[in-house]
Amino acid sequence: DTGVSQDPRHKITKRGQNVTFRCDPISEHNRLYWYRQTLGQGPEFLTYFQNEAQLEKSRLLSDRFSAERPKGSFSTLEIQRTEQGDSAMYLCASRAGPQSGYTFGSGTRLTVV
Amino acid sequence: AQTVTQSQPEMSVQEAETVTLSCTYDTSENNYYLFWYKQPPSRQMILVIRQEAYKQQNATENRFSVNFQKAAKSFSLKISDSQLGDTAMYFCAFMKRGGTGTASKLTFGTGTRLQVTL
Repeated sequence: DTGVSQDPRHKITKRGQNVTFRCDPISEHNRLYWYRQTLGQGPEFLTYFQNEAQLEKSRLLSDRFSAERPKGSFSTLEIQRTEQGDSAMYLCASRAGPQSGYTFGSGTRLTVV
Repeated sequence: AQTVTQSQPEMSVQEAETVTLSCTYDTSENNYYLFWYKQPPSRQMILVIRQEAYKQQNATENRFSVNFQKAAKSFSLKISDSQLGDTAMYFCAFMKRGGTGTASKLTFGTGTRLQVTL
C-alpha cells in the first residue's frame, strides 16, 4: 500500500466548467476526509465519510460541490460551474478508526482561470 | 467552535540550532488532541507530533518536542538540532476527541514557514 493517492495532481480549468477529483485512501481505512487549502491558509474541513456514508459536511461545501464514496472505497469530489474562488489545493485524508492518525494525500491543485 | 492561532508567519534558523514555533488555541472542550504537521514543498501533510490533552507530560519525538500548557491553551513546538530537511510549512492543529460516528475533524492554524539555513 502506497498511502493515500490523489488524482490529478494539477488541474487548470476555465470558469464555469465542471471538474472531478479522485482520492484512493489506504485500503483498510474506513474514514475518509476532504479538506481545502487556499494560499497562505491551513486546510479547512469540507466533508467526512465513514465507509460509504457521508456523515458530515461543512458549510464551505456549497451546492456546487458534491462528494461520493461508492462502496466505501475511493472517493470523488466534483465541483460544478467552477468559480475563481474555487482555486485551491484539495486534500484527501484517511484514517482507520477514531483513535488513529490521519494519512494525507499530496493533494490536487485546482486553478480556475 | 475551535480556533487555532499561529502568530509567526515565517521563521528562520541555522542548521544545528534550536527553534520554537508558537501556537495558541481556543476551545471549550476538555478532551482533545493537538498536533503539529509538517508540509514540505512536496505538499503531503506529515504528522510531526501529537499530544493528548489529558496527559500532562509533554510529547517528544526524537528532535521534536512540545510545551503543552493546557490552562494557557498554548502548544509550542521545539525543534532541536535543526536540519535542512526540516524546511517546510508547519501547521498546528486541534481535534476534539470523539467517538464512533463523529467526524473528528482537524482545525488548523494558518501555518509557520520555517527556513533552515546553512
